[in-house]
Amino acid sequence: EDKVVQSPLSLVVHEGDTVTLNCSYEVTNFRSLLWYKQEKKAPTFLFMLTSSGIEKKSGRLSSILDKKELFSILNITATQTGDSAVYLCAVVLINTGTASKLTFGTGTRLQVTL
Amino acid sequence: ETGVTQTPRHLVMGMTNKKSLKCEQHLGHNAMYWYKQSAKKPLELMFVYNFKEQTENNSVPSRFSPECPNSSHLFLHLHTLQPEDSALYLCASSRFRWSGTSGRAYNEQFFGPGTRLTVL
Repeated sequence: EDKVVQSPLSLVVHEGDTVTLNCSYEVTNFRSLLWYKQEKKAPTFLFMLTSSGIEKKSGRLSSILDKKELFSILNITATQTGDSAVYLCAVVLINTGTASKLTFGTGTRLQVTL
Repeated sequence: ETGVTQTPRHLVMGMTNKKSLKCEQHLGHNAMYWYKQSAKKPLELMFVYNFKEQTENNSVPSRFSPECPNSSHLFLHLHTLQPEDSALYLCASSRFRWSGTSGRAYNEQFFGPGTRLTVL
């Protein structure tokens, strides 16, 4: 059975801290790994990772994939209260033509306090 | 505001009611998806539509019936639901694209705001 596991399940940090969120996976037919941020309703896309060892960066957020050890991390530096959200990791499993099948982890709930 | 809209945003229904959820994407995508998000559980894929054709049904009970009249619209028809069906229902869409050098296709999905469904 395909599995995506995120840790920790929840995290409380102070503004300015750096956090690392983890995502490990055991799936067949791995294609890519996605990170999403879900604040209230709609998950918003952050990164897509397809190759090992290549860091993706967007402002204070960065992510990297290790396809040998089957995990990815999402780093957030100098956290702000606006970073408070649930961070979802998803693995793209199948590319049947134009559609893709995602398997999600349960998410990490991050709370940034003043 | 995302390019994927969903209506209604909240729905309360009895177990004998029939209702429909609507999703519309304005991104020119060619694949659409229904997900169910329950408390403390991962997002669960329910249905996938590729150019209006259903390509995935993830063992969803028949009380959920999807409809995709065109590549921009997706419906989820609900009838005789159970209280355990109460959840956030999210619609997503994606577009096929090639990665270029590797020649493979990777599809990030863009989500709508969801419909919070409560079944009494």
